[in-house]
Amino acid sequence: AQKVTQAQTEISVVEKEDVTLDCVYETRDTTYYLFWYKQPPSGELVFLIRRNSFDEQNEISGRYSWNFQKSTSSFNFTITASQVVDSAVYFCALGGNFNKFYFGSGTKLNVKP
Amino acid sequence: DAGVIQSPRHEVTEMGQEVTLRCKPISGHNSLFWYRQTMMRGLELLIYFNNNVPIDDSGMPEDRFSAKMPNASFSTLKIQPSEPRDSAVYFCASSLALGNSPLHFGNGTRLTVT
Repeated sequence: AQKVTQAQTEISVVEKEDVTLDCVYETRDTTYYLFWYKQPPSGELVFLIRRNSFDEQNEISGRYSWNFQKSTSSFNFTITASQVVDSAVYFCALGGNFNKFYFGSGTKLNVKP
Repeated sequence: DAGVIQSPRHEVTEMGQEVTLRCKPISGHNSLFWYRQTMMRGLELLIYFNNNVPIDDSGMPEDRFSAKMPNASFSTLKIQPSEPRDSAVYFCASSLALGNSPLHFGNGTRLTVT
């Protein structure tokens, strides 16, 4: 079965704190893809990053970093020195065969000034 | 490049009325997806198309829901008759028909059925 679990429903931090959003996935596919999306209060869904199952290299983009570990089926997302503008709901998603995507339930991040 | 365009942004209708949501995918994308988002169920895939052909409609809640994609640049999601429990945000997304291609979402249509 294909499944994405985001166990953290809501996280609150104070500005400048680091925060990690967890994502655990299940799949039987040998080739698959993992994604993170951001949904700010305005409601749109914004694509952040994609990783392929055969590339476990971690990625950093500014204050954002992603840690992909196949051994634990996890694809965690860390925001360093969080800012108020990072407040949003973040979704992890799994894509694989037949272009079908599976989304987690989302983690709401509140960054307080 | 224009992103995915959805219309209307907001729709308020009375129970029993027909509702039609519209979507224009990104030019060149050959996969199109309709999602529904509610607090209770999160993001649910309703249906998706590859090259204008419906591939998986197992997420369509019931016969009151129908979707069409008459050409590569237009899709509709119709609810007839609408019910209050259909109230949600409906997102359209498009992508290239490749497993590693991300979905690009429209801004959504917020539907309220009274």
